[in-house]
Amino acid sequence: GAGVSQSPSNKVTEKGKDVELRCDPISGHTALYWYRQSLGQGLEFLIYFQGNSAPDKSGLPSDRFSAERTGGSVSTLTIQRTQQEDSAVYLCASSLRDGQSNTGELFFGEGSRLTVL
Amino acid sequence: AQSVTQLGSHVSVSEGALVLLRCNYSSSVPPYLFWYVQYPNQGLQLLLKYTSAATLVKGINGFEAEFKKSETSFHLTKPSAHMSDAAEYFCAVRGSGYALNFGKGTSLLVTP
Repeated sequence: GAGVSQSPSNKVTEKGKDVELRCDPISGHTALYWYRQSLGQGLEFLIYFQGNSAPDKSGLPSDRFSAERTGGSVSTLTIQRTQQEDSAVYLCASSLRDGQSNTGELFFGEGSRLTVL
Repeated sequence: AQSVTQLGSHVSVSEGALVLLRCNYSSSVPPYLFWYVQYPNQGLQLLLKYTSAATLVKGINGFEAEFKKSETSFHLTKPSAHMSDAAEYFCAVRGSGYALNFGKGTSLLVTP
């Protein structure tokens, strides 16, 4: 597609349930990022994928969070045993691979708003 | 580590007045700096970026920012605010990897 696509746009779940959030990056972009946006907290980096390299997971807040990227394209962020503090907007972004005129600009999707009751 | 600090979580200006949103950075290497805008219920959109070329960077919608190494600043300005400029603005710096490190954001309110 023309832009980064995320689904679902809204998700309401009960505490303790697992959720999956999906991101489809811009075609040809080899780098993919997940951020979390909480009210008043700005954007918190979660994880970064670059091609077939091992992902940078340094931002994942706990072992309940995981992400995978299949075939170097679509990515899924999974949150297990959700807690109320997981409520936030989860933003996905993609970019060109560094070295391909990439100065670091990220292209963002509209986000998935997660509410944990 | 590379980081940015945005001064002022909320800024209010009158329509037609100067917009000034402040951002200071901390970086051990020449930084790549960015300003993004987020309209309600939307993702982030790039306004402009500094990549060590010209220190005065012009972006979309009449915004510009000046890189000042001596002040470690990258403030965003617009000469005349429009009602449609009301949004959340984020300053960001490229980190040691490839991810961007964002500030906490500044909410711009434009009053008639």
